[in-house]
Amino acid sequence: RKEVEQDPGPFNVPEGATVAFNCTYSNSASQSFFWYRQDCRKEPKLLMSVYSSGNEDGRFTAQLNRASQYISLLIRDSKLSDSATYLCVVHAGSQGNLIFGKGTKLSVKP
Amino acid sequence: EAGVTQFPSHSVIEKGQTVTLRCDPISGHDNLYWYRRVMGKEIKFLLHFVKESKQDESGMPNNRFLAERTGGTYSTLKVQPAELEDSGVYFCASSQAVRYGYTFGSGTRLTVV
Repeated sequence: RKEVEQDPGPFNVPEGATVAFNCTYSNSASQSFFWYRQDCRKEPKLLMSVYSSGNEDGRFTAQLNRASQYISLLIRDSKLSDSATYLCVVHAGSQGNLIFGKGTKLSVKP
Repeated sequence: EAGVTQFPSHSVIEKGQTVTLRCDPISGHDNLYWYRRVMGKEIKFLLHFVKESKQDESGMPNNRFLAERTGGTYSTLKVQPAELEDSGVYFCASSQAVRYGYTFGSGTRLTVV
């Protein structure tokens, strides 16, 4: 089983749609959780951290369920500029490294 | 604030040659990381420096890879001799603390032919 698994995608949605990405992680000791965004041939960029209480940043909402080891990202009112690959990322411990999922590609069409 | 800078952006070398990648982290970031993405696979951890010390090098594929961070500033990653399977994008990242997330450089795309 992979350490971080994501929806394979791709997701092709029209502008204005709501889209949800799911992610599961295998290490129950994981402590920090993130969503990164990666544009084609660019570096990953931090989109948002994910907290147990859930958190929202504009059109983006992230949720964490520690019991199920499940993370989600919801994008509302999607824009053309949201087209990218979304990476679910988990950090195992205070001195550990980031574990990346393979990413889910989102394509928002006019 | 200047971001994480990597050099070169692209490198094409022949199998058996040596290549050295460089990373300049954000000033003041003690933590520096090297990651690699091989085509079709997820981004994978290579190693982690805290200042000039190697905190974790469990992701280094083999002894053909050597990373250094003299003086705790910039870091180099040398591949010697390069093999075809070393091709990929090598990312460097730095952070003050994990809870803030990492800032990645734009990567070095290495092609071994």
